[in-house]
Amino acid sequence: KQEVTQIPAALSVPEGENLVLNCSFTDSAIYNLQWFRQDPGKGLTSLLLIQSSQREQTSGRLNASLDKSSGRSTLYIAASQPGDSATYLCAGDQNFVFGPGTRLSVLP
Amino acid sequence: DTGVSQDPRHKITKRGQNVTFRCDPISEHNRLYWYRQTLGQGPEFLTYFQNEAQLEKSRLLSDRFSAERPKGSFSTLEIQRTEQGDSAMYLCASSFGGLSSYNEQFFGPGTRLTVL
Repeated sequence: KQEVTQIPAALSVPEGENLVLNCSFTDSAIYNLQWFRQDPGKGLTSLLLIQSSQREQTSGRLNASLDKSSGRSTLYIAASQPGDSATYLCAGDQNFVFGPGTRLSVLP
Repeated sequence: DTGVSQDPRHKITKRGQNVTFRCDPISEHNRLYWYRQTLGQGPEFLTYFQNEAQLEKSRLLSDRFSAERPKGSFSTLEIQRTEQGDSAMYLCASSFGGLSSYNEQFFGPGTRLTVL
């Protein structure tokens, strides 16, 4: 059974810092991995989808990598802004398992 | 707006009542998913449809829960005889799944259920 963990559970940083969020999964047969952000009381917004044949994907200040052999994905956020404050979740495709999320606060 | 929509956005009901939620996916998407999310947790998978066929159901989906997608477009999730433990956010997502697609999921705003 796939299990997904995310470290850290919460993170507070000053504006402008670069930061890394971690996602670990137990089943390396993961097909795709998707990163989302969720604002309080809202639905999930898709950030990046890393296909099984890719090792990383970039969108603006975000970069996500996938290492299936080690069961890890990382989300790198460059030059963080207060608007980045949200909960960040990762999920593996085809087994529909989400991690618990990392709650990020970027302080102005 | 061409995103995933859900109705209602909030529902308050008394224990024992039945409730029904609706999800309208992105129009060209053939896959539709239901998840449940409680405070501080990631979403938990409930069930998924490809077109009108319900292909997978979680053990979380007890006999009191039923989902339909009769024409392969919108879907409904019904909870019968609600219990206080059913209080949660119910999220719907859709994707286009095919041989050359990568099944990126897009979520609706959710329906928040409170059972008194």
